[in-house]
Amino acid sequence: AQKITQTQPGMFVQEKEAVTLDCTYDTSDPSYGLFWYKQPSSGEMIFLIYQGSYDQQNATEGRYSLNFQKARKSANLVISASQLGDSAMYFCAMRERNNQGGKLIFGQGTELSVKP
Amino acid sequence: ETGVTQTPRHLVMGMTNKKSLKCEQHLGHNAMYWYKQSAKKPLELMFVYNFKEQTENNSVPSRFSPECPNSSHLFLHLHTLQPEDSALYLCASSQDLRSGRHNEQFFGPGTRLTVL
Repeated sequence: AQKITQTQPGMFVQEKEAVTLDCTYDTSDPSYGLFWYKQPSSGEMIFLIYQGSYDQQNATEGRYSLNFQKARKSANLVISASQLGDSAMYFCAMRERNNQGGKLIFGQGTELSVKP
Repeated sequence: ETGVTQTPRHLVMGMTNKKSLKCEQHLGHNAMYWYKQSAKKPLELMFVYNFKEQTENNSVPSRFSPECPNSSHLFLHLHTLQPEDSALYLCASSQDLRSGRHNEQFFGPGTRLTVL
């Protein structure tokens, strides 16, 4: 079964508007962490934001916020005030605490295009 | 140099060639990772090293041979590859293998490998 699901292969957003990228996950481990990474065309994966399963509040980092709904097992990324430089692939990933090997499980990604 | 560097950035090789990918991290981390990113597929973890010891081999074919001489350097030796091995190979590092907010993985820019 797929552990991380990103259902939007591609998204378009107008510059300066907000956009939500979807991510759902599946785990039986009560302790886990959720990550979002950005991958521009250059290839490098850039860490954006982290949410722990026991965190009481949704994570925020500048224009990025994570809409964490634990009961629904969703961890959507919200980008406010989109900029042209936000155009990239975005990956949701999960790390389960009982995985001692440091393994990050990635979704298939969403390609975001910001229109001027 | 800062962060995680990878060389070469691009590599074209024949199926009978032997080549090596190099990764170096300047972050003082103790864990290093190799990932494979094929088109239209999620990132796949290949190998994990923690304090120079291999902690995970994700059922990778033996034509890929990792080497970790110290905590700062990681190599991936390639021999007798197949065209389906063409992909972006990403190296990452983290403080160690613990879970948690401040132990995110930092990625290099990747080596784009083409096997003819």
